[in-house]
Amino acid sequence: AQSVTQLDSHVSVSEGTPVLLRCNYSSSYSPSLFWYVQHPNKGLQLLLKYTSAATLVKGINGFEAEFKKSETSFHLTKPSAHMSDAAEYFCVVNTLYNQGGKLIFGQGTELSVKP
Amino acid sequence: NAGVTQTPKFRVLKTGQSMTLLCAQDMNHEYMYWYRQDPGMGLRLIHYSVGEGTTAKGEVPDGYNVSRLKKQNFLLGLESAAPSQTSVYFCASRPGQGIRETQYFGPGTRLLVL
Repeated sequence: AQSVTQLDSHVSVSEGTPVLLRCNYSSSYSPSLFWYVQHPNKGLQLLLKYTSAATLVKGINGFEAEFKKSETSFHLTKPSAHMSDAAEYFCVVNTLYNQGGKLIFGQGTELSVKP
Repeated sequence: NAGVTQTPKFRVLKTGQSMTLLCAQDMNHEYMYWYRQDPGMGLRLIHYSVGEGTTAKGEVPDGYNVSRLKKQNFLLGLESAAPSQTSVYFCASRPGQGIRETQYFGPGTRLLVL
């Protein structure tokens, strides 16, 4: 079965400092992994996705994530936080079509950015 | 393209009332999903559809029914609303069965059941 665990429910950083949001996954087959962002009272926006083409995935707004099979991790990083990055972030794993292709969400990490 | 749209954006119900949430997509996607979002729990799948005329249960289907009479629409019904169904509901769609495909989400419907 597939699952994801986001290791921090809340992360607080200062503007201009690096961001690290941690995600571990469990999958019985080669996974398809995503990071989505949700700003307050908004819908979900895709940040980036891992599709096995490259282990380092670049997304929008300067975010990137590295797929590490040996560590079963897919951590999200950004070199320098901006105030507009304050939001909730979800690590997500996809399932096979014979399971409906449904997404399994982590519990979310709320990112706060201090001026 | 409008993408995925949801109607209504916000609704207040009394316990026992019924309502239908409408999801529409104009991307010709085969797969459609209904999720609910509650604080600290991420999104949980209620029901989904892998094509017109098909539906299947997700993780938390109790108290909800769905229909997919047209490919572009996916309806979520609450026959007798309960306070536990207070939540934010998201609809999503994806093109087909490929595991690498992206799900596209609607803006959400906030439902308050008193």
